[in-house]
Amino acid sequence: GNSVTQMEGPVTLSEEAFLTINCTYTATGYPSLFWYVQYPGEGLQLLLKATKADDKGSNKGFEATYRKETTSFHLEKGSVQVSDSAVYFCALSAGGGYQKVTFGTGTKLQVIP
Amino acid sequence: SAVISQKPSRDICQRGTSLTIQCQVDSQVTMMFWYRQQPGQSLTLIATANQGSEATYESGFVIDKFPISRPNLTFSTLTVSNMSPEDSSIYLCSVVLDPGELFFGEGSRLTVL
Repeated sequence: GNSVTQMEGPVTLSEEAFLTINCTYTATGYPSLFWYVQYPGEGLQLLLKATKADDKGSNKGFEATYRKETTSFHLEKGSVQVSDSAVYFCALSAGGGYQKVTFGTGTKLQVIP
Repeated sequence: SAVISQKPSRDICQRGTSLTIQCQVDSQVTMMFWYRQQPGQSLTLIATANQGSEATYESGFVIDKFPISRPNLTFSTLTVSNMSPEDSSIYLCSVVLDPGELFFGEGSRLTVL
């Protein structure tokens, strides 16, 4: 079946540090890949997505590249801010009529001033 | 995009009681989804609610425990029945517009004493 594996958190960084959150996946066919973010006290919202190999999704300074050869979709940001503190979920959708979404376990990021 | 409103945003309930969570979407959608997010964990799909038909439940979830209504294309309810402390979770309503791309409500945080 489909699965998503994320690096465990929490991740604590100082403001302006470089961020990488690793994500690898297992899926049949050609999945679409997503990063969702959940700010404290809020629901999830889509951060970025990539629908085919070598695509790069980007939003709010975050980037992730769909790497089919390594089945990875690592999230990166060059300079994090305190406001980026949140839980980040990697996810994929593959197969099925509406392309059921499978989530990773989430990685909590805390950015300190 | 879609705007999703959930009620209640949070509640504290007694063991053995039931609670109904409402989800309202600002546009007509074919499929609505109910997820559970247990403390510190990822999202688990409870069921898919289609208008005009019975909800489809995922493995480990049953209609007697989580009855769902979907009376029209913009509204759904999830009831958590005969609650126990293990049901303490955030319950999230979501819809899909583009394949695999989910929009979430802010969630209903349920605490069962």
